[in-house]
Parts: sequence; structure tokens; C-alpha cells
Amino acid sequence: ETGVTQSPTHLIKTRGQQVTLRCSSQSGHNTVSWYQQALGQGPQFIFQYYREEENGRGNFPPRFSGLQFPNYSSELNVNALELDDSALYLCASSLAGVVYGYTFGSGTRLTVV
Amino acid sequence: AQSVTQLDSHVSVSEGTPVLLRCNYSSSYSPSLFWYVQHPNKGLQLLLKYTSAATLVKGINGFEAEFKKSETSFHLTKPSAHMSDAAEYFCVVSDNDYKLSFGAGTTVTVRA
Repeated sequence: ETGVTQSPTHLIKTRGQQVTLRCSSQSGHNTVSWYQQALGQGPQFIFQYYREEENGRGNFPPRFSGLQFPNYSSELNVNALELDDSALYLCASSLAGVVYGYTFGSGTRLTVV
Repeated sequence: AQSVTQLDSHVSVSEGTPVLLRCNYSSSYSPSLFWYVQHPNKGLQLLLKYTSAATLVKGINGFEAEFKKSETSFHLTKPSAHMSDAAEYFCVVSDNDYKLSFGAGTTVTVRA
């Protein structure tokens, strides 16, 4: 059974640029969530996708967007990058949401300069 | 609204002694509660979860937590700390089907 894999592991971007982060869900999982973890803080919920539809969103601006594909892999897109977007971005997959528990990937470390 | 307060930002213990990590939660509904551990440069690993079954929950690696509704607490304990327990620990609450709300984390150091 494979876990959650994220790519790339590290990324450096310039303020104003756009970035796409990728996530491959654990086999059999149809739900994927994305979290932002700033240095020294707990992860913050960005949004969740269930069967290719967004079914929950946290307090993040619209320049944070996502996609979930038929194979349940996922992308997080961030437009107009700001310095404060520098963080560890975590992807988590689940069979069907909170009660079943989430498996987290190791994350993508994004640095905006 | 759901939220979590981890009462200690840093806990230091000697190897072989008990570990106690304190967590209080706030939730409008019957919550699900979790403890996750994060080792450096690693993803989050689920230690245990409470979802309205037994109030004493046993997890992996000898950890357990007790759900106390009257105190709105979900403290994590381990009888005997091991060097490999040094990590960041997060208490997490959810009262819906999609959002996990994390505490700020507790850093555990284990002295030899």
C-alpha cells in the first residue's frame, strides 16, 4: 500500500509568480485536503476535494485554488505569490473524510523570495 | 467553531519517565479528536483518534489519551519516554466532515 506522495519536495519562487504543487493520494482514497504550515505553527486548512468537487474551504483567498483528478491525485495552485506564502504545504488523503482519518504526505517546502 | 489549545509549547523529559502533553478543545458539536506527531522533515503521523467510542484511546508506540467532556480536555500520555519520541506533537479537533483544526504544537525533547 503506497502512502501519500508530494512533489516537488522543495521549491523557490519569486514574489508575483505562480506555483503548482502536486499530490498523489494513498491507494483507495477519494478525499484529499491541503494544509499550509508556516514555520513554528500548526497546519492551517486550505481546502478539501471529494470526488473532484471542493467540499470545504478555509480562510484562504481565491488565489489559492485546487483540482482533483479522476484518479484522485490533486494539485494546489497559488497565483500572485506573496512572501507570506512561504511555508510547508501538506497534502492529506482519506477514504471519506474526518472519521476515517487522514494520511499525510511529507510536504512541499515553498520559499518565496 | 472548533479550536484547540495546547497548554505547553515545549516539554522536556528524561528517557524512561512519563510524558504528559496537555490539550483543551472548543467545539460546538460532538468532536472528533486526534493526536498527530511530526518528526523533522517528515509528514504528520496519526498517533490516535477519538470518535465518540471509548473515552480512553490507545494509540501507536505506547501513547494513549483520555477524552474528558466535562473538562473539554484530551491529554496525551506515555508511561515511559524513549529517545525516538523527540518530535513535534499536534492536538487536532474536528466537528465536521472536512476540516481538521490543529493546535500550535508541543515540542518534546528527551534527555538521555
